[in-house]
Parts: sequence; structure tokens; C-alpha cells
Amino acid sequence: DTEVTQTPKHLVMGMTNKKSLKCEQHMGHRAMYWYKQKAKKPPELMFVYSYEKLSINESVPSRFSPECPNSSLLNLHLHALQPEDSALYLCASSQEWRDREAFFGQGTRLTVV
Amino acid sequence: GEDVEQSLFLSVREGDSSVINCTYTDSSSTYLYWYKQEPGAGLQLLTYIFSNMDMKQDQRLTVLLNKKDKHLSLRIADTQTGDSAIYFCADYNTDKLIFGTGTRLQVFP
Repeated sequence: DTEVTQTPKHLVMGMTNKKSLKCEQHMGHRAMYWYKQKAKKPPELMFVYSYEKLSINESVPSRFSPECPNSSLLNLHLHALQPEDSALYLCASSQEWRDREAFFGQGTRLTVV
Repeated sequence: GEDVEQSLFLSVREGDSSVINCTYTDSSSTYLYWYKQEPGAGLQLLTYIFSNMDMKQDQRLTVLLNKKDKHLSLRIADTQTGDSAIYFCADYNTDKLIFGTGTRLQVFP
């Protein structure tokens, strides 16, 4: 199983809503990542978790709150988002942080209205 | 910070070879990568090359690395319509993967 599963695939939320994105992998990987990809742009790193501890936060606004409850699961909690936060949110995992092979999920397409 | 640049668009006929180019500014990377992204989908790791290699071949894919010129290329032999996608080169810089601007490959019959 080399899959990273993200749910939901699509999400529309209002600026006052609270929602969560979920990412799951069962490859025994100890590093997990959140990326944000705007239309026609490359992915940009948001957060890195290594052994369930937050290792990198790329100065992401606090309306995005990551959580790693266990080694297989990564969540991204969303609150009071802005329309400019609409993007494809990608989760990835690798055996270890900085490992040469990172596996990406299919992403959650988020629209903030 | 590092810059990773690619040409935006490439159009090829089915059966021809495609060559996608990438230039980067940081020479300390251990590995350089090529990812493929189909419309509305996540990223798929296609191949990677160790920085002390000049060339790596993997079935229809050939990666060439010129460290002196900081230039990376991906050649796809016998390009098929299923190869139509956006291709990103990437490398590790200060503990994070930096992606290039992406090249949209369009394959026509």
C-alpha cells in the first residue's frame, strides 16, 4: 500500500465556518507534510511533522492549525478562512523527514466563499 | 532563497520525444526530482537523480544533470497522450522540497 488518502476531495466553506482536512497513510512513514497549491502555481510547503512533532511551520497564518494525533494521521483544522485561501491542499508522507521519496495524496480542493 | 525555473509550456506529437528543462540556483542538493501532476490530481514522483550522477534512465524516462550549469532535464521517449500533464522539477533546500514553476506538456495525435 503506497497510498496517501485525503478527505474530503472537495470542500466549500464560508468565512465563518470551521472545517478539517484529513490525511492518512499506512506505510509506516514518520514524516508527514501539508502543502498548498494555488492555481497554475507549484506546491508550497506549509507544515512538516516528524515523529508526530511539528518540525517546520512556514509562517502559516494561525487560521490554519495542523494536528498529528498519531503516526498515520494528519489533520489540518481551518477556521475563519479568507477567499484567497482557496487552493488545492496536498498532504504527503515519507519514511523519514528529508527522505528522497515523498508520496503525495490526491489533494483537497478547497473553495472559501 | 532558491529559484527553480522551468519553461511554461511544451507541445509534442504523439510518438515523438519530449524534453522538459529545469534550472536551479542551489548546488548543495543531494537529490533532484521530477514529479507529474495530472489535472485535478496530486503529485506523482516519476524519478529522481543523485547529485553526483550525470544521467539516469528509467524505462521511457531519461534524466540528465549538468551540475556545472545547474541544469536538469527530463526526456520522455515515445510520448503518449497519457503523458499530458504538468511536470515539476524539485530539489531539497534547507530541509524542504522546492518545486519549479512547472511545465505543461500537451501531446497531440
